[in-house]
Amino acid sequence: EIVLAQSPGTLSLSPGERATLSCRASQSVRNNYLAWYQQKPGQAPRLLMYGASNRATGIPDRFSGSGSGTDFTLTISRLEPEDSAVYFCLQHGSSPRAFGQGTKVEI
Amino acid sequence: QVQLQESGPGLVKPSETLSLTCSVSGGSISGYFWSWIRQPPGKGLDWIAYIYYSGGTDYNPSLKSRVTISVDTSKNQFSLKLSSVTAADTAVYYCARHRLGGYEFDYWGQGTLVTVSS
Repeated sequence: EIVLAQSPGTLSLSPGERATLSCRASQSVRNNYLAWYQQKPGQAPRLLMYGASNRATGIPDRFSGSGSGTDFTLTISRLEPEDSAVYFCLQHGSSPRAFGQGTKVEI
Repeated sequence: QVQLQESGPGLVKPSETLSLTCSVSGGSISGYFWSWIRQPPGKGLDWIAYIYYSGGTDYNPSLKSRVTISVDTSKNQFSLKLSSVTAADTAVYYCARHRLGGYEFDYWGQGTLVTVSS
């Protein structure tokens, strides 16, 4: 069973700055089946990235993903106030599917 | 635009069975995998189980002994049953669709809060 560890727990930044979020897996994620989600209070998670580095439909290009194997990164360049949220990674390359514990981004 | 909507009781007594249904509109349930995911208040996300439209299933081992997932293609719905619930099962329950090709969750319901309490 793969466990995902996200860091940092909370990131406090200013508008226009860059945010770098980490997701580390306890084992290699098959086929880089690693996705990133954004969740705002009272809302369902929203798919941002899939396959580690592919933006989902409608996601602005200030969001980018990278990594492979066990180490993955979500980068938000030029933070905007609406980017305040909790960000989760998900591995779905093996069962059981597992989420990281989340990184809260405060702007 | 595909839409998912969870429905079911918001309050379940301890030791009873939690039952939820996800209704899919704006698209067919056929051809896709469908999952249930939950989120205890203030905590992270836990995948519970998935079902393929034709009936194949997979469960999280941590819940497998208590979970049943089923699909009704005629109604464009799928369902979750979780037996012998305790307060630890209190959570927002989401249904979600797996994206074709990659199988991450691309469409989600709004979620429904289920509280386990006497």
